[in-house]
Amino acid sequence: DTAVSQTPKYLVTQMGNDKSIKCEQNLGHDTMYWYKQDSKKFLKIMFSYNNKELIINETVPNRFSPKSPDKAHLNLHINSLELGDSAVYFCASGPDMDLPTGELFFGEGSRLTVL
Amino acid sequence: AQTVTQSQPEMSVQEAETVTLSCTYDTSENNYYLFWYKQPPSRQMILVIRQEAYKQQNATENRFSVNFQKAAKSFSLKISDSQLGDTAMYFCAFMSNSGGSNYKLTFGKGTLLTVNP
Repeated sequence: DTAVSQTPKYLVTQMGNDKSIKCEQNLGHDTMYWYKQDSKKFLKIMFSYNNKELIINETVPNRFSPKSPDKAHLNLHINSLELGDSAVYFCASGPDMDLPTGELFFGEGSRLTVL
Repeated sequence: AQTVTQSQPEMSVQEAETVTLSCTYDTSENNYYLFWYKQPPSRQMILVIRQEAYKQQNATENRFSVNFQKAAKSFSLKISDSQLGDTAMYFCAFMSNSGGSNYKLTFGKGTLLTVNP
């Protein structure tokens, strides 16, 4: 069983389109994240949610809108895609933000290519 | 804000030899966690080792060990008996212990390690 799963794994689309990436975790964690890995492999946090509540929003453009229907799911919707949005997007989860014990668990990443 | 610096963009090592990857960080906090994550070509992020700042003893996991120097804010990773499967990008990461909006990983820019046969 995959602990943190993302779909789709690969996504190729045209500039200006709208797309979504879905994430689900079966670890029972309260906190979920979206990270962006750019072409130079740098990983930067975008958002975190704790039990459906937005906790971190790291100056991400408004075109990116996370949605958490329940604590096991955190989806990322991107409007009006731009070339610079091309990246690998990682979903992650962590057990308890008020008692951080360490590691986050990552999905396999979703590679988005904007043409 | 915390920062994590990995000064070696790329490194290589011969199979069966030992290699050390460097990491320094900057924080004003006293309690925190430090991690090394491995990202092979498969893209999966894999936790290699973690260290709690309040523990003086250096963490070890089989062939992987760290040299944690809290005063110097240094956290290097030593890989012994390197194997071809160790070829990957290695990321050093920091996590605050204070929770809430600080419950996140801050990554360094990574070191690409190549193990040569």
